[in-house]
Amino acid sequence: GQQLNQSPQSMFIQEGEDVSMNCTSSSIFNTWLWYKQEPGEGPVLLIALYKAGELTSNGRLTAQFGITRKDSFLNISASIPSDVGIYFCAGQLYGGSQGNLIFGKGTKLSVKP
Amino acid sequence: KAGVTQTPRYLIKTRGQQVTLSCSPISGHRSVSWYQQTPGQGLQFLFEYFSETQRNKGNFPGRFSGRQFSNSRSEMNVSTLELGDSALYLCASTLRGPTTGELFFGEGSRLTVL
Repeated sequence: GQQLNQSPQSMFIQEGEDVSMNCTSSSIFNTWLWYKQEPGEGPVLLIALYKAGELTSNGRLTAQFGITRKDSFLNISASIPSDVGIYFCAGQLYGGSQGNLIFGKGTKLSVKP
Repeated sequence: KAGVTQTPRYLIKTRGQQVTLSCSPISGHRSVSWYQQTPGQGLQFLFEYFSETQRNKGNFPGRFSGRQFSNSRSEMNVSTLELGDSALYLCASTLRGPTTGELFFGEGSRLTVL
């Protein structure tokens, strides 16, 4: 079945640094989404992207829908301790349905104050 | 506005037993989906319900079943539990209907099978 390759698996950074993570696939997706999960919580939607080439920001977070529709990137600027968590990308295939929503394995972000 | 509520939050069962997990979606949300989250496999889709009908089912054995009630609340059941069923089970609801990937997740039910 379809798979999303999310990298890096984990990151250890200093507070104030910028962060970049990405998600790639061999399949074309109709929608890309980025979620964050903190310990003991369910994932929370950060950004949704619906158009190839689309660049969307949410505060210090910026995500892009790749032109090929096979990848997406998430950048966090000036990281702070509360950015700690696991970031998941998700791609949704054409035809819409949560059954067509594929999640990456996540990027675990640790921020050192 | 209350979020997605899942009960119980934690439970411990033994192999061979069965378990029922409950999910109350956000008020007004009619679509509910369930996911299994494990360290090895990540988030895997179990089922999706809309207006009491199962619209889609993931690649899980028949021991995993679910249903949705007229008030949009949903339950999932796992029968004849196996050690590998130990996981965080997440429920998610959506405002925009079953075609959207914009999900609101609950905090999950953590199942441990001994």
